Amino acid sequence: DTGVSQNPRHKITKRGQNVTFRCDPISEHNRLYWYRQTLGQGPEFLTYFQNEAQLEKSRLLSDRFSAERPKGSFSTLEIQRTEQGDSAMYLCASSSGGVSSGNTIYFGEGSWLTVV
Amino acid sequence: RKEVEQDPGPFNVPEGATVAFNCTYSNSASQSFFWYRQDCRKEPKLLMSVYSSGNEDGRFTAQLNRASQYISLLIRDSKLSDSATYLCVVNLPPGTYKYIFGTGTRLKVLA
Repeated sequence: DTGVSQNPRHKITKRGQNVTFRCDPISEHNRLYWYRQTLGQGPEFLTYFQNEAQLEKSRLLSDRFSAERPKGSFSTLEIQRTEQGDSAMYLCASSSGGVSSGNTIYFGEGSWLTVV
Repeated sequence: RKEVEQDPGPFNVPEGATVAFNCTYSNSASQSFFWYRQDCRKEPKLLMSVYSSGNEDGRFTAQLNRASQYISLLIRDSKLSDSATYLCVVNLPPGTYKYIFGTGTRLKVLA
């Protein structure tokens, strides 16, 4: 499978605990995105990388959220001191930004977080 | 004003009907526009890009109106399998690779 891969697919955690999600983008895609989606809403932009550089981070993202892409390949999204409001689907996407792809972004299947 | 705005619906239409969705965006200089489809509890998947001259893919037609800052999606001869949420996507701010999604429009095609 050469698509975007996310792990874990489901995570249930107690309030106050830290969680980390991993995303492996499509091979050779230089851009990687994180979005969050709750029921009835569209995906909400969190952050994106070009290679290892984090180009933008949403103002909606509190300092409890951090994302890294250390070698420009896979990425991790960590949420510290989780709150019930963090319960959502966390989506990772990647793109090559090339002319042939038209900058299309391709999503992974998402990581579902439930904070109890 | 929201950066990307869609009517959430739901749009309930009979099989075979034609249905159209609009999406407005806030920045007139945006350059990249897409429609994505999302099934319940699944990830969004690209339906089609939207080009300046308009484009068609089978039963689906996408159009861009820069003057009024909206894009549209027309679905002809609706099938039961078209039932899904349709998400409008725009690059904002212009000149970047940051993509903003609308809230989505729910479509239900009825037998």
